Amino acid sequence: DIVLTQSPGTLSLSPGERVTLSCRASQSLTTKNLAWYHQKPGQAPRLLIYDASSTATGIPDRFSGSGSGTDFTLTISRLESEDFAVYYCQQYGVSPIAFGQGTNLEIK
Amino acid sequence: EVQLVESGGGLVHPGGSLRVSCAASGLSSSDHEMDWVRQAPGKGLEWVGRTKEKINRYTTDYAASVQGRFSISRDESKNSLHLQMNNLKTEDTALYYCVAYIEGYPYWGQGTLVTVSS
Repeated sequence: DIVLTQSPGTLSLSPGERVTLSCRASQSLTTKNLAWYHQKPGQAPRLLIYDASSTATGIPDRFSGSGSGTDFTLTISRLESEDFAVYYCQQYGVSPIAFGQGTNLEIK
Repeated sequence: EVQLVESGGGLVHPGGSLRVSCAASGLSSSDHEMDWVRQAPGKGLEWVGRTKEKINRYTTDYAASVQGRFSISRDESKNSLHLQMNNLKTEDTALYYCVAYIEGYPYWGQGTLVTVSS
C-alpha cells in the first residue's frame, strides 16, 4: 500500500510569504492522480490541484502543483489570509487510496 | 454542474447498522469511479472504499478498517451511491463524504455525520 508523508507538520508564516509544502509517496505513483486540498474548520475539503499539476476550477493562480514519481509539492506564491488552513495531499489512482496526514499552515 | 449530496447520517448504537446515501446530479454516476471518505472529529481524512464504474462491473474495494462490515452499492435508476455500514463501532464516528472522479477531477459532497455511541 502507498503511504503519503507530508512535511512539515506545522508551518507558521505571514501573509505575503511564499510557501512550498511537500508530499512524499512510499512508492512511485504509476498514475498522475495526485491531488491537493485545503480545509478550514467546519468545512469540507476544497480541491486545489488535481493530476499533480492541474489547477482546479476557481482556484487562484498563486497555487501551483508539481512533481512525479514519489515527490510532489504544492506552492503558494504569496500567502493571503484565507490560505491559512490544513493542507492534505491524496493519491487516488490506485486502491487503497491514501491521504497524507496533513500540514497545518498557521498565521505567524 | 456536478453536485453530490449525502444523506442518512445519524446516531446509532455500537453494533448497529446504518445506510448513508449520495445523490448525484450533473453526471451519470454509473460512468465514474466513486469513493467514500470519512473524517473523524478533529482528525485527518481516511479513505473508506471505492466502486469502479459500470464498464468495470462496479467492482468494489475497501479499507482494511471496514472490510467485512461496510459495503458499497449503486442505484442506477436514482443515480445514487450507498454505503451500508454494519456492526458499527465507536471509532466509525465521522463525517462521511462521497467523491466522484470525472476524467481525473475529484468532486466532493458536503458530507453526512454518523455518530456511534451508546
